[in-house]
Amino acid sequence: SQTIHQWPATLVQPVGSPLSLECTVEGTSNPNLYWYRQAAGRGLQLLFYSVGIGQISSEVPQNLSASRPQDRQFILSSKKLLLSDSGFYLCAWSVRGGVPEAFFGQGTRLTVV
Amino acid sequence: QQQVKQSPQSLIVQKGGISIINCAYENTAFDYFPWYQQFPGKGPALLIAIRPDVSEKKEGRFTISFNKSAKQFSLHIMDSQPGDSATYFCAAIVARAGGTSYGKLTFGQGTILTVHP
Repeated sequence: SQTIHQWPATLVQPVGSPLSLECTVEGTSNPNLYWYRQAAGRGLQLLFYSVGIGQISSEVPQNLSASRPQDRQFILSSKKLLLSDSGFYLCAWSVRGGVPEAFFGQGTRLTVV
Repeated sequence: QQQVKQSPQSLIVQKGGISIINCAYENTAFDYFPWYQQFPGKGPALLIAIRPDVSEKKEGRFTISFNKSAKQFSLHIMDSQPGDSATYFCAAIVARAGGTSYGKLTFGQGTILTVHP
């Protein structure tokens, strides 16, 4: 069966520090991968998606970037965090060309102080 | 045109009652409509989904009703239980082959459901 791992679960970082959140998917190949951000425990905003290694599309301009160095690995990064980067970050995957639902990881609660 | 509007923002139901959450969309290219359930501090989990070629889908106590002409769909939770207390999100996607959505979901803003014992 497929599983998605996302870490860390919580993170407190000072303003101006770098960020690296990692997500890996097991049990599938060539997944579509996504990073979402959820503010104030409510709506989900798509930040990045990837359909293959090295292929990243950004949905909104921001202080963050994403990379996909391996087929089932997706990384969210920032060189210098802002207070406004605080939120709940969720990685998700879907089957390319298959069932269209996305399956989410457990999320990372990021607090920038 | 990509928006999905969800209501109500919050809902309080007594145990055993029926919870109803509504969503409306504009983009007629959407062709798959999943619902997600999210508990505090956790990622959303897929609950149930429907395609627009059917008007209703039922899985246990959860039912999706779909009105294609009105571009509306709703989630009904029968015999609501305190364990159903969570945030519910409707979503929409252009899933058909050849589409360029790449599986990107458009989410509603969520409904916080509280079921009192």
